[in-house]
Amino acid sequence: GEDVEQSLFLSVREGDSSVINCTYTDSSSTYLYWYKQEPGAGLQLLTYIFSNMDMKQDQRLTVLLNKKDKHLSLRIADTQTGDSAIYFCAEIDYNTDKLIFGTGTRLQVFP
Amino acid sequence: DTEVTQTPKHLVMGMTNKKSLKCEQHMGHRAMYWYKQKAKKPPELMFVYSYEKLSINESVPSRFSPECPNSSLLNLHLHALQPEDSALYLCASSQWEGGGNEQFFGPGTRLTVL
Repeated sequence: GEDVEQSLFLSVREGDSSVINCTYTDSSSTYLYWYKQEPGAGLQLLTYIFSNMDMKQDQRLTVLLNKKDKHLSLRIADTQTGDSAIYFCAEIDYNTDKLIFGTGTRLQVFP
Repeated sequence: DTEVTQTPKHLVMGMTNKKSLKCEQHMGHRAMYWYKQKAKKPPELMFVYSYEKLSINESVPSRFSPECPNSSLLNLHLHALQPEDSALYLCASSQWEGGGNEQFFGPGTRLTVL
């Protein structure tokens, strides 16, 4: 299957920006997603980007897509303690239409 | 109604028990999914139903038996599970199966097998 890689852990101070990175392998992916998972909870879809875009902004969230390098990032501006969670990027496998999740990044926000 | 609900929230069962997990959505979605998530790992796809028919079975052991009684409901019947089956079981739905259709997840059922 495809491997979608993320760094395991990110720690930021409240009010700073957070940048969570993701590298994916399926260059044919049409949609890429960011999900948030709080402890003991399900996954919440935060945002997505279509492959013909290189940037999408939604309030505090900015998604950047570099198709050449197969690199996706999520920037959270003015990070709050409520943003502490695990963040998963995900891509649609072109051949199977399945959602392939990244390894997940745990974001910890400290005061 | 824009949510996926799952019951129960927590379930503890012995290896000889039979139990069922339930999932419900009222968004008119025609694709529903079961995922298994172990601690500190991403979700892994188990089954996909499309228009109430099983579309994908990711080589899941037969002790897990999915059922889709109607377009709003998805069940996962459990029988003779093993301790390594302990995990968070997530249900999701999307308008249709396939790329570009956002999947909405339920809160999950935390299963412990003793």
